[in-house]
Amino acid sequence: DTEVTQTPKHLVMGMTNKKSLKCEQHMGHRAMYWYKQKAKKPPELMFVYSYEKLSINESVPSRFSPECPNSSLLNLHLHALQPEDSALYLCASSHITGTYNEQFFGPGTRLTVL
Amino acid sequence: GEDVEQSLFLSVREGDSSVINCTYTDSSSTYLYWYKQEPGAGLQLLTYIFSNMDMKQDQRLTVLLNKKDKHLSLRIADTQTGDSAIYFCAERRGRIYNQGGKLIFGQGTELSVKP
Repeated sequence: DTEVTQTPKHLVMGMTNKKSLKCEQHMGHRAMYWYKQKAKKPPELMFVYSYEKLSINESVPSRFSPECPNSSLLNLHLHALQPEDSALYLCASSHITGTYNEQFFGPGTRLTVL
Repeated sequence: GEDVEQSLFLSVREGDSSVINCTYTDSSSTYLYWYKQEPGAGLQLLTYIFSNMDMKQDQRLTVLLNKKDKHLSLRIADTQTGDSAIYFCAERRGRIYNQGGKLIFGQGTELSVKP
């Protein structure tokens, strides 16, 4: 299994809703990442988990709450979002030790906040 | 992406070669990557090059690295309409122990292939 899966593919939510994005990989990667991407812009790093512990938080607002329940799963809990949070949310994973450590990306969740 | 620059658009005819350029600023970068993103999809890793290499070839793809000028290029031979996408270069900033490294992306080059 050499892919990163993300659910749901599309999500529409109101500003008062609570929802979660899910990401899963079975490549034995111990680093997992959340990125936010606006249309035709590069991905912006949000969070990095290393060995299931949060290692990087790029000053993301607290309405985004990441969780890494085990080495294969990464969640992003959403609460009280704003319309400007509408974007493609990408999950990625990589090895930590070793030579290349390339990041493999999932297909993303297209989020629309009304 | 701060410090990594790419031209925004490139248009070529089917069958021609495409060359996408990228400049970066951090001389300590160890690995440089090329990702492809088709509309509505995630990022697909195309190829990568280690900073002590000058060139890497993989089928229709050739990556050239000029470390002195901090210039990276991706050449796609015999470009097809299916190659139409946005191409991002990315540098990995050093090696952050236990953190898997941090990727800095360029703005992306939108490649349009005309039949």
